Order: sequence, then C-alpha cells, then structure tokens
Amino acid sequence: DTEVTQTPKHLVMGMTNKKSLKCEQHMGHRAMYWYKQKAKKPPELMFVYSYEKLSINESVPSRFSPECPNSSLLNLHLHALQPEDSALYLCASSSRDRAYNEQFFGPGTRLTVL
Amino acid sequence: EDQVTQSPEALRLQEGESSSLNCSYTVSGLRGLFWYRQDPGKGPEFLFTLYSAGEEKEKERLKATLTKKESFLHITAPKPEDSATYLCAVLGGKLIFGQGTELSVKP
Repeated sequence: DTEVTQTPKHLVMGMTNKKSLKCEQHMGHRAMYWYKQKAKKPPELMFVYSYEKLSINESVPSRFSPECPNSSLLNLHLHALQPEDSALYLCASSSRDRAYNEQFFGPGTRLTVL
Repeated sequence: EDQVTQSPEALRLQEGESSSLNCSYTVSGLRGLFWYRQDPGKGPEFLFTLYSAGEEKEKERLKATLTKKESFLHITAPKPEDSATYLCAVLGGKLIFGQGTELSVKP
C-alpha cells in the first residue's frame, strides 16, 4: 500500500469551531509532514514529525496543533481559525526524516473558514 | 534570505514542442534541489533530486539539470498528459518551494 490518505476531503468551519484533520499511511514510514497550500501558491511546510516526535515547527500559529498518536497516524487539530487559514492542507510521509525527495503526498483536505 | 523563483509562470505548448522550465535560486548551503509535479486537486508527486552543479537526471520525457544558480526541467516532445504544475523546491536551512510553472500541452 503506497498511499497516504487524508480525511475529510473538504471541511467548512466557523471561526469558533474546533475540528481535526486526519492523515494515515501504512508504508512503515517514520517521518510525516503537514503542509499548507493556498490557491495558485506553492506548498509551505508547517510541521515535521520524526519517529512520532515533533522535529520541526515552522513558526506556525498555536491555533494549529499537530499530534502523532502512532507511527501511521498524524492529526492536525484546528481551533479559532481565521478566514485567511482557508487553504489545501497536505500531509506527506517518507521513510527517513526530512527525506523531501522521498515524500509521498496525500490528496489534501480543502479547508474553508467562514 | 533564501529565495526560489520559477519561470515562466505559465507555459502553453503544442504536443511534440520541446521546451524548458527554469528554477533560479539563492540559498546558503544548498542541500538539495527537488522537482515535483502537481495535478489539480492532488498532492505533489516527486520527480527528481539534484545535489550538485553539473548533475543531470532523466525520466521518460523529462530531464533536470543543475548549475550553481539555477535548475532547468527540459521537456522533450511533450504529450497532453504532461500538463500539470511543476514545482521546484530547494533545501538550505529550510525547504522552500518556488511558485510553480503551470504547463499546458495541447494535442
């Protein structure tokens, strides 16, 4: 199984809501990543988890809270978001930490904040 | 400050019309330059990694080259299925993506 799955595909939330994005891989990869991509813009790296520990946080606001419950699962908890946080959120995984040339990307969750 | 600039922003080709995409970069201590392909509504798909000036990689109709200041992605005799956005990313102190080149290949 060489696939990264993300749920939900689409999410609409208000600024006072709390929601979570989920990412799963069953390739035995030990590094997982969250990216944010605005329309017609490149992906921006948000977080990197290596062996279930947070290894990189690219100065992301605290309203985004990542969690890695186990080696196959990565969550992104969302709280008190702003409309400018609307974007495509991409998850990726790789067999080695920060192996950007070996990443498998999921299809993304398209988030709209009202 | 590390920077990555891709050109052109958009490129329209006829099927079979070869061309090149450019990725210019300024980075202190290049640890790798990556090319990805992204189809609409999907995550990026890794294509190539280049590490040092003079290096070249090939895959089907695509060939990536690297100098000390830029990388080129050459597309030979493109087909409509090559239509996608091509992203370049450089790894120095952090990973930075360029804005991408949107390629459209018409039959």
